[in-house]
Amino acid sequence: AAGVIQSPRHLIKEKRETATLKCYPIPRHDTVYWYQQGPGQDPQFLISFYEKMQSDKGSIPDRFSAQQFSDYHSELNMSSLELGDSALYFCASSRRGGDEKLFFGSGTQLSVL
Amino acid sequence: AQTVTQSQPEMSVQEAETVTLSCTYDTSESDYYLFWYKQPPSRQMILVIRQEAYKQQNATENRFSVNFQKAAKSFSLKISDSQLGDAAMYFCAQGAQKLVFGQGTRLTINP
Repeated sequence: AAGVIQSPRHLIKEKRETATLKCYPIPRHDTVYWYQQGPGQDPQFLISFYEKMQSDKGSIPDRFSAQQFSDYHSELNMSSLELGDSALYFCASSRRGGDEKLFFGSGTQLSVL
Repeated sequence: AQTVTQSQPEMSVQEAETVTLSCTYDTSESDYYLFWYKQPPSRQMILVIRQEAYKQQNATENRFSVNFQKAAKSFSLKISDSQLGDAAMYFCAQGAQKLVFGQGTRLTINP
């Protein structure tokens, strides 16, 4: 079965650079969620989209933005990167009105040097 | 505000035995779901089991079952016949759309 696809798997950036993370949800899933998991921590909700509109917002810095496109894939844009942004970034998808199960991608490991 | 608490940072069990991981939560929502996710060293988040809050019957998935006590806001995970491949970090999570996670319990399986 198709899963949530995230790219890239690993990303290394310098401070103050920008990064773009991509997420391709499971086919027919209409909702995408972004989570940030720091070292040794639990995942923290950043932002979600339903049918290409932002549906909820968590602890996402103003330096970050995200959107969901017409093909339901989503991109997380991160600017002015800081050392503290180093983390594993997960994307998850679900189908609203379906079984409401969130399925996670393998994550993008971002290292800011 | 939603909170999820896992009071056991680490647990260990002998292979083939049974272990129970604890989780308590707090929410003002009336309709929500509870989840257990497994995160092995690969750091992939794998859905283990899900419980709908409106269902009284406890969810079961093969060797994994839950004890859902809604009034006590408790949601424990029981792993029967533990296998070496069960070793991982286990996260309890609660929510209707976005999820709030607990701090995790690292499970070690002793051969």
